[in-house]
Amino acid sequence: DAKTTQPPSMDCAEGRAANLPCNHSTISGNEYVYWYRQIHSQGPQYIIHGLKNNETNEMASLIITEDRKSSTLILPHATLRDTAVYYCIVQSSSNTGKLIFGQGTTLQVKP
Amino acid sequence: SAVISQKPSRDICQRGTSLTIQCQVDSQVTMMFWYRQQPGQSLTLIATANQGSEATYESGFVIDKFPISRPNLTFSTLTVSNMSPEDSSIYLCSVGVGQGHQPQHFGDGTRLSIL
Repeated sequence: DAKTTQPPSMDCAEGRAANLPCNHSTISGNEYVYWYRQIHSQGPQYIIHGLKNNETNEMASLIITEDRKSSTLILPHATLRDTAVYYCIVQSSSNTGKLIFGQGTTLQVKP
Repeated sequence: SAVISQKPSRDICQRGTSLTIQCQVDSQVTMMFWYRQQPGQSLTLIATANQGSEATYESGFVIDKFPISRPNLTFSTLTVSNMSPEDSSIYLCSVGVGQGHQPQHFGDGTRLSIL
């Protein structure tokens, strides 16, 4: 079973920040938080990952709470092309490489 | 990152037949995986394709139904055997590049329909 809980759907206005929450209350000390998204008819696309510090790249920011039990993916200026299913996944540092996908959050960006 | 090509991109097959899906990567990769995405569902890992040895299957998936080959570090195949309508899904290949914590990269999948 997936170790994360996400809201099934969210809406966001174009140009505004999209904040996608993820609960991972059973996360272990050696597990990373990864975010992927899947745009319709495409394979999942990696967005960002982190262990305990906040991370930022050209696509998004990842905010992880101090107790690491939850995180938020922030798309600072959402566009219509950001409409997708967003998956939050925890992965062990043993790195068997396996990704266990939950149901994700369907983000609908509206004009 | 790695560029992943899957063939075919889609197919319609008859019940009882088998189809082999190819996954080609533009660089050598350490890890390759096969996932299934049933209609309207999330992705489920089928197996890890191991170079030079038998694939490692997840619970609920068996080699007789989903034989996998990985002859080298850039190529793998997944065969869906004796297909039934329940096998209608998108099958995706992914790769892990490098060591340690690195993201996976996915192909765009093979959309398979069984009549």
